[in-house]
Amino acid sequence: DTEVTQTPKHLVMGMTNKKSLKCEQHMGHRAMYWYKQKAKKPPELMFVYSYEKLSINESVPSRFSPECPNSSLLNLHLHALQPEDSALYLCASSLGQNTDTQYFGPGTRLTVL
Amino acid sequence: GENVEQHPSTLSVQEGDSAVIKCTYSDSASNYFPWYKQELGKRPQLIIDIRSNVGEKKDQRIAVTLNKTAKHFSLHITETQPEDSAVYFCAAVDRQGAQKLVFGQGTRLTINP
Repeated sequence: DTEVTQTPKHLVMGMTNKKSLKCEQHMGHRAMYWYKQKAKKPPELMFVYSYEKLSINESVPSRFSPECPNSSLLNLHLHALQPEDSALYLCASSLGQNTDTQYFGPGTRLTVL
Repeated sequence: GENVEQHPSTLSVQEGDSAVIKCTYSDSASNYFPWYKQELGKRPQLIIDIRSNVGEKKDQRIAVTLNKTAKHFSLHITETQPEDSAVYFCAAVDRQGAQKLVFGQGTRLTINP
């Protein structure tokens, strides 16, 4: 398997809902990332997990909660989101060194009503 | 931290002509510079990357050049085809945050038949 997969593809949620985004890779990568991408903008890093430990949190609001249950899985738990959180959420993975290529998943298109 | 500037923001070329996109970065210690192509509604896909121990890298119609002294790198696409139409992002690794990619603002490339 040479791809990063993400589910769901689309998600619509209300501001009081709790939902989770899921990311999976089976390439033996040891670093996994969450990015947020607004329309016509570049991806913005949110979190980095390295060897299943959170190594970077880009001052993301606590309504976003990442989780890395094992080296192949990455979740993003969502709670009490705001309409401005509507965006494409991209997961990526890499071997783990800072010069290693990051491979992106197809993303989850999130709409917060 | 790292800052990446990308120009132009939009570029329109005739099919068969060449396209050049330029990026500058701020951190002289950065050592990895990938280029991603993102088609509408799709994931960013790596098209070429360069590490700071080389000055130029080619892959068929695509080439990247790196000038470490001037802190800039460029993407060159020759013999452009309609399927090259997409948004292109350059990026650089932020040495202060291992594995953190900082992206340029993107270039929307349109190939006119």
